[in-house]
Amino acid sequence: ETGVTQSPTHLIKTRGQQVTLRCSSQSGHNTVSWYQQALGQGPQFIFQYYREEENGRGNFPPRFSGLQFPNYSSELNVNALELDDSALYLCASSFLRGAAGSLSGNTIYFGEGSWLTVV
Amino acid sequence: GQNIDQPTEMTATEGAIVQINCTYQTSGFNGLFWYQQHAGEAPTFLSYNVLDGLEEKGRFSSFLSRSKGYSYLLLKELQMKDSASYLCAVRDQRGPTGRRALTFGSGTRLQVQP
Repeated sequence: ETGVTQSPTHLIKTRGQQVTLRCSSQSGHNTVSWYQQALGQGPQFIFQYYREEENGRGNFPPRFSGLQFPNYSSELNVNALELDDSALYLCASSFLRGAAGSLSGNTIYFGEGSWLTVV
Repeated sequence: GQNIDQPTEMTATEGAIVQINCTYQTSGFNGLFWYQQHAGEAPTFLSYNVLDGLEEKGRFSSFLSRSKGYSYLLLKELQMKDSASYLCAVRDQRGPTGRRALTFGSGTRLQVQP
């Protein structure tokens, strides 16, 4: 039990629709990262939020966007869904320190994930 | 860029020892993580190495050589429940703000047989 919770656990959407996935970070953690994991692959970094701002982004198009709230919870939004967006979406919680998030610990915990199927 | 390689599949016998290797080439390095992932579940944190050497935690040990870009995860006294995918991930450090993202390998699927 990591203390990182995600919702919903499973959902089915139609191509072209929009989806919002939610994540609550572990108590004491201030940073949330989102990853996409296709079947049989390792997770791929989408973006990271620290102090309510995007703190880094992977190779994903702008239709993938996010938010972080004052309580450090986060949302991942995906617009104009495509069939290839079908995957497990993982939220990872961690703690960064400093004005630029430059100091970090060794604990990065994942939530149970949200399974998205696009048909 | 980041490149992480690990074997796709391994098979071992219950009670035995298995070593899962991971090699990496990264533009920045801020630690190496190992995760266990059972089918249909989220990755579970196993170990973290940032300095060269061996970290031991019960039946699991992880080794890091930064000069060689190499790590391994050692599992002792294998149990059937150890059948899972094992993910090697490197945390990067990029730009003035530090991205601190994890780059994962594709995972090693370990099958433990009776």
